[in-house]
Amino acid sequence: DIQMTQSPSSLSASVGDRVTITCQASQDIDLYLNWFQQKPGKAPTLLIYDASNLATGVPSRFSGSGSGADYTFTITSLQPDDIATYYCQQYVDVPVTFGGGTKVDIK
Amino acid sequence: QVQLVQSGAEVKKPGASVKVSCKASGYTFTSYDIIWVRQVTGQGLEWMGWMTPSSGATGQARMFEGRITMTRDTSISTAYMELRGLTSEDTAVYYCARATSADYWGQGTLVTVSS
Repeated sequence: DIQMTQSPSSLSASVGDRVTITCQASQDIDLYLNWFQQKPGKAPTLLIYDASNLATGVPSRFSGSGSGADYTFTITSLQPDDIATYYCQQYVDVPVTFGGGTKVDIK
Repeated sequence: QVQLVQSGAEVKKPGASVKVSCKASGYTFTSYDIIWVRQVTGQGLEWMGWMTPSSGATGQARMFEGRITMTRDTSISTAYMELRGLTSEDTAVYYCARATSADYWGQGTLVTVSS
């Protein structure tokens, strides 16, 4: 199984700050990497697909990059509505695996 | 618009089975796989398995082998996930999602296992 190591597990930042989350796979996943946002009590929603493509309707302050086994998710200017837990997911192979999540809150 | 609507919350006794449904709309049901993911309260996302609605082919995570069955009724664009031999550790929210990439999700079904 492909292991996804996501860091940090939590972070606290100010409104307007740049926030970066990383996800490292245990092997090359060839851009088959998604990023999800999950707010409390809600289902996850897709933000970034195929490592760097913005899903429909997602604000442009969200972005993704990376290749091979190493990927990065960025919020360029943190907003109060961005308080959530973020997950990476690889889907190059089954079992599909998720990172452990990053809980983001406002300082 | 694409929607996945799941069945309501369930309370089950240890050893029982639960069957969760996931009704798709807004796209051709047989064109995309359905995956099942669960989440224990306060924990991360755990992939359970997949089903190809056009053929009925399925695959599951090793930890659910022998306990999970995924089926579908294409006439009503609905996928089903049945989990047997429930224990308290199966208390979780169960989600269906479209495609291996999980681009659309159901709202989740809380399954509580308690004596």
